[in-house]
Amino acid sequence: QVQLVQSGSDLKKPGASVKVSCRASGYTFTGYAMTWVRQAPGQGLEWMGWINTNTGNPTYAQGFTGRFVFSLDTSVSTAYLLISSLKAEDTAVYYCARVDDSKDAFDIWGQGTMVTVSS
Amino acid sequence: SSELTQDPAVSVALGQTVKITCQGDGLRSYYASWYQQKPGQAPVLVIYGKNNRPSGIPDRISGSSSGNTASLTITGAQAEDEADYYCNSRDSSGSQLVFGGGTKLTVL
Repeated sequence: QVQLVQSGSDLKKPGASVKVSCRASGYTFTGYAMTWVRQAPGQGLEWMGWINTNTGNPTYAQGFTGRFVFSLDTSVSTAYLLISSLKAEDTAVYYCARVDDSKDAFDIWGQGTMVTVSS
Repeated sequence: SSELTQDPAVSVALGQTVKITCQGDGLRSYYASWYQQKPGQAPVLVIYGKNNRPSGIPDRISGSSSGNTASLTITGAQAEDEADYYCNSRDSSGSQLVFGGGTKLTVL
């Protein structure tokens, strides 16, 4: 079945980096863009941007430029989110989701990855 | 701050009808999509486009739009509809996507 499986929870110290993975299965990976969404504890959803899985071209939302990098490895149908110079306020659940252009919506979501930044 | 505005909380009696709204300038040009999120779970797409439901979403959930407001209506609310609901669409520039702040729906 169509699914996105994300990497497990991670605990990092401030200033470190973290790479979250999102492995797709059950569909043609390059047929759909991938988006990333952040949810801080007790807060709402924030759109971080997306990546074109054909070209690898990323688009970042305002507020998610500089320390956030989207990348791909199409050979293993996996998208990555790299966050560098981590801060306490980066503590959140990070979701990947498939972008269905025909629906103009995010139709399949990963289970989420909790990233905790603490000294 | 979000360019899509939602009421933080709404309640409905079991079996009654409730409308959750989402306001924003971008909604004059673009449809909203709606996501349901239950505690500890990933969001689930429930409405997209003019009024389309993905497979598996009950037909008591519907969507509509007028002017700068998109709405999600649940007709005959059930206990399992209790969740947070988020709208998503483009901002007024059309170049960025944005989520509304979310509405916590309580079924009494």
